This record gives sequence, structure tokens and C-alpha cells, in this order.
Amino acid sequence: SYVLTQTPSISVAPGETARITCGGNNMGSKPVHWYQQKAGQAPVLVVFYDSDRPSGIPDRFSGSNSGNTATLTISGVEAGDEADYYCQVWVTSSDRIVLFGGGTKLTVL
Amino acid sequence: EVRLVESGGALEQPGRSLRLSCAASGFSFGDYAMHWVRQAPGKGLEWVSGISWNSGSIRYADFVKGRFAVSRDNAKNSLFLEMNSLRVEDTALYYCAKDKRSSIDYDSPLEYWGQGALVTVSS
Repeated sequence: SYVLTQTPSISVAPGETARITCGGNNMGSKPVHWYQQKAGQAPVLVVFYDSDRPSGIPDRFSGSNSGNTATLTISGVEAGDEADYYCQVWVTSSDRIVLFGGGTKLTVL
Repeated sequence: EVRLVESGGALEQPGRSLRLSCAASGFSFGDYAMHWVRQAPGKGLEWVSGISWNSGSIRYADFVKGRFAVSRDNAKNSLFLEMNSLRVEDTALYYCAKDKRSSIDYDSPLEYWGQGALVTVSS
């Protein structure tokens, strides 16, 4: 079965760039979506179809996807960006279903 | 403003049943696919089920197949999850989420989420 692999945690200083990766076999062929979940809150969609941003999401958030890795990039990291980030794709097992990565905890130093 | 409000969460014993509801507002509910996603305490997101706009396409994660049933009432702007034969490992916060498209065949994102309903399964 298909597996999405995310680094469990990363730490970044304010103002620097955070790169959160999501690995999977031939990821570049699948549309990838990214969610931000702050402590005690529901997830929020921050990037969809690899690199599109919903309205209201700052352009500091960007995405890319090629080869076996999708990447969510957060430029000029702020304290308010501290959260768990999940990648998501659709895969076919017995049916076509939603699959989430295990999540990456972003800590702002 | 899109709003999704889950209800029906409770403490229930293993083997028993529970029904979750999700009341939607702020968008044309009958035009969009909907999903249930759960999150066990301290764990990641886990997709449970999806249903297309007209209930014509329904899918489940393998770990709930045969035990859970998703349905919707477009006239009442409501989504449901009937949970049977509950297990301790079903303990989680259950989120209702709106798809960006009408069908669950388009690889689309879950663009809005409710705040969740807590289900605890314990004897």
C-alpha cells in the first residue's frame, strides 16, 4: 500500500525558511494538498494541487512537487506558523481513498 | 462563511453504536462532496469516509468498512456517520470536512473543516 513519509519535526528561527517534505513513490504524478493544524484547532488547507493557495493564505506559503517528493515552503517564518503540517493525496487501494502523511511538527525557535 | 458543526460525540462502550451529525451552512451543501476524518489523541489525521454530492459514490477506509456508514440529507444540509461495533481504537476526534468538488473522483482537497466531535470508546 502507498505510504507518505514526513519528517516528524523541524525547528526554524523566525524570519528563516522552513521546508517540509512529503515523500512517496512517484509523488510528482499525484496532486498534493497541505494542511496546517495549530494546537487545539481544526486543520486548515494552506496549499492545494501542489502549489495553489486558498484565498487568505499568505504568499509566504508555497508548494512544489516532483519526482518522489512534495515540498511545502514557508518563507519568513513567524511565530504564528508553529503548527503540525500534513500532506495529503488520493490513492487507489481497493477503492480510491484519501491518504494523509504522518505530519511534521514545525517549531519556531 | 462556511460553517461545519459536528455533534453526537460521546463516551460509549465497545461493541455499541453511535451516530455523528454534521450541520453545514454558508454554502450550497448539495453541490459538494463531504468527508469524515478522525484524529486519535496525540496522533495524526486519518481519513474515514467520503460521499459524493448525490450519495452516488461512497468510500470508506479499510478499518471501518462494514462497521461505519456515511449518509447525507441535502434537504437538511446535514452529513451523518453511523458507527457500529465500536472498538477502543475508534477513540478519536471526528472531523467533518467539505470537499472542493462535487465528486470524490477528482483528487480534490478538503477545503473546510469543522471543529470535531469527540468519540471515546471505553468499558
